[in-house]
Amino acid sequence: GAGVSQTPSNKVTEKGKYVELRCDPISGHTALYWYRQSLGQGPEFLIYFQGTGAADDSGLPNDRFFAVRPEGSVSTLKIQRTERGDSAVYLCASSLNPHGTGGPPETQYFGPGTRLLVL
Amino acid sequence: KQEVTQIPAALSVPEGENLVLNCSFTDSAIYNLQWFRQDPGKGLTSLLLIQSSQREQTSGRLNASLDKSSGRSTLYIAASQPGDSATYLCAVSPPGTYKYIFGTGTRLKVLA
Repeated sequence: GAGVSQTPSNKVTEKGKYVELRCDPISGHTALYWYRQSLGQGPEFLIYFQGTGAADDSGLPNDRFFAVRPEGSVSTLKIQRTERGDSAVYLCASSLNPHGTGGPPETQYFGPGTRLLVL
Repeated sequence: KQEVTQIPAALSVPEGENLVLNCSFTDSAIYNLQWFRQDPGKGLTSLLLIQSSQREQTSGRLNASLDKSSGRSTLYIAASQPGDSATYLCAVSPPGTYKYIFGTGTRLKVLA
């Protein structure tokens, strides 16, 4: 079946502009995650959705960053007033999470990422 | 605060060698640990997931072990091949959360 897809694959914008990054998770996966990866580093957690709600947004760096998942499937990461330091690869992942059962997290499946460059 | 370290940062080996990649974490309280592979310019591919109650997992030429009490995991790759060349990342999930905390990875190059 289809994996996690992300669009666009590359995005170049100017400092101060607004950008939206889209993630389509694997069909049926209830959990969705956003991570950010800078060059030479491991991914850093941004936000996790269970269904439509953000269950953990502790990784969002500031209030310029916002994410939604209105129907519990596709998610959009929104960045306002972009800064050069926002340049990174933004990765999305999804998993079948037994949320509410107290069980451990399932394997996270990652998309190819969106490479964001802020000039 | 949980921190994940991977050693070595880079490794170059001839084809056919068996090798070990190391991952250490500062807080032994984890839900699980997952090893990923990342090819240049690509996303992450899950290799093995070890739950906190398990000690190891195997898939083909890959074997991952977990020693929670000492805060360590190793990824063993048998009979390495040029196609194994990639960055290998380990990540731990703190209890009560579903996020992962990643190490900075080990860049592996297997020479033909």
